[in-house]
Amino acid sequence: GESVGLHLPTLSVQEGDNSIINCAYSNSASDYFIWYKQESGKGPQFIIDIRSNMDKRQGQRVTVLLNKTVKHLSLQIAATQPGDSAVYFCAENFNNAGNMLTFGGGTRLMVKP
Amino acid sequence: DTAVSQTPKYLVTQMGNDKSIKCEQNLGHDTMYWYKQDSKKFLKIMFSYNNKELIINETVPNRFSPKSPDKAHLNLHINSLELGDSAVYFCASSPVVGDEKLFFGSGTQLSVL
Repeated sequence: GESVGLHLPTLSVQEGDNSIINCAYSNSASDYFIWYKQESGKGPQFIIDIRSNMDKRQGQRVTVLLNKTVKHLSLQIAATQPGDSAVYFCAENFNNAGNMLTFGGGTRLMVKP
Repeated sequence: DTAVSQTPKYLVTQMGNDKSIKCEQNLGHDTMYWYKQDSKKFLKIMFSYNNKELIINETVPNRFSPKSPDKAHLNLHINSLELGDSAVYFCASSPVVGDEKLFFGSGTQLSVL
């Protein structure tokens, strides 16, 4: 079964507010995590990543937080815009011998104007 | 100048038919993948090829046969299509094996009637 994420919950936020999307993972051996964004009718697009030796990583308007103690990952989007509306996936990699990304079930973000 | 392109975008077919989906990447990447996304948006890896060689083959029925004529192409052939094969199929690529930042195509929505 899937070890990462939830079954497509929906988060609805007002434009301009901050968004926080959460993800739980169960494999403590995972050492690399990625967030992807998937807009309607398109393929997933890389947003930001973090390695397990870090707790926080910032990008442009996005921040990923990793809490290894409780095996939790979050994506924070500052000043959410209508263009941020999409399904967001977290993914983990626990196989350094190959490229075995395991994706979570995704969270749909809806931004209200 | 699309990075990862797959055709067709939509494929509607009858049960029992054989169909192919083509994928090409112009990024010069060594590794290519096929992912399946179900109706609940859950993404699961099917195959991974590195430089035309199969490196990951998840539990996929042998009705699915990937073919990589060169490292820029990874096609997916499906024999004897079943209703449960209906899904969106994504091709992806990454620069090298172990690089988890995947570049996805826009998907092929397969509907088996």
